[in-house]
Amino acid sequence: DAGVTQSPTHLIKTRGQQVTLRCSPISGHKSVSWYQQVLGQGPQFIFQYYEKEERGRGNFPDRFSARQFPNYSSELNVNALLLGDSALYLCASSLGGGHNSPLHFGNGTRLTVT
Amino acid sequence: GQQVMQIPQYQHVQEGEDFTTYCNSSTTLSNIQWYKQRPGGHPVFLIQLVKSGEVKKQKRLTFQFGEAKKNSSLHITATQTTDVGTYFCASAAGGTSYGKLTFGQGTILTVHP
Repeated sequence: DAGVTQSPTHLIKTRGQQVTLRCSPISGHKSVSWYQQVLGQGPQFIFQYYEKEERGRGNFPDRFSARQFPNYSSELNVNALLLGDSALYLCASSLGGGHNSPLHFGNGTRLTVT
Repeated sequence: GQQVMQIPQYQHVQEGEDFTTYCNSSTTLSNIQWYKQRPGGHPVFLIQLVKSGEVKKQKRLTFQFGEAKKNSSLHITATQTTDVGTYFCASAAGGTSYGKLTFGQGTILTVHP
């Protein structure tokens, strides 16, 4: 079975631009979460979607938005990019939407903002 | 908000030595999950603990959850070079109904052959 797939793998953007990151969960998983990982730190929670509804939002500005599609894939959008948005963006899927469901992470999208 | 503190930040060991990383919280944790991230890779789920005082083993890895559910540890016996990576603990705040996990800052393990 395919794992969580994310695209693109790498991205270079300029300050002020907008970016869309994509994620396909493991087949059968209905929950998708997005995390930001800055070098040397643990992943930080951005959003969780379960059954196409937003179930949680982390401490990120409104420039960050996401959605989940009927096939459970998801997109993360970031507007008005700042240098500090440079990070590894991880998508994780889980079978259930609760906190006891282990997360299965994709390989991530490495975003560099110049 | 909830914080999960993890120590040490770095650990360098000789192959065959033991390794332990600790995870502490000032608040009661609903659960604790442990993940391993190899250099250049993504976090991979290792195990979940939910009961007070719970101990689980996976081959050379032993995971413990404190009696007060405020701390946890991961112990590796006789490390191997394949154990290299960053080990993260992660938890949800008590009563959280959705899947937000708060990750510790991780312990970077280096194993010298």
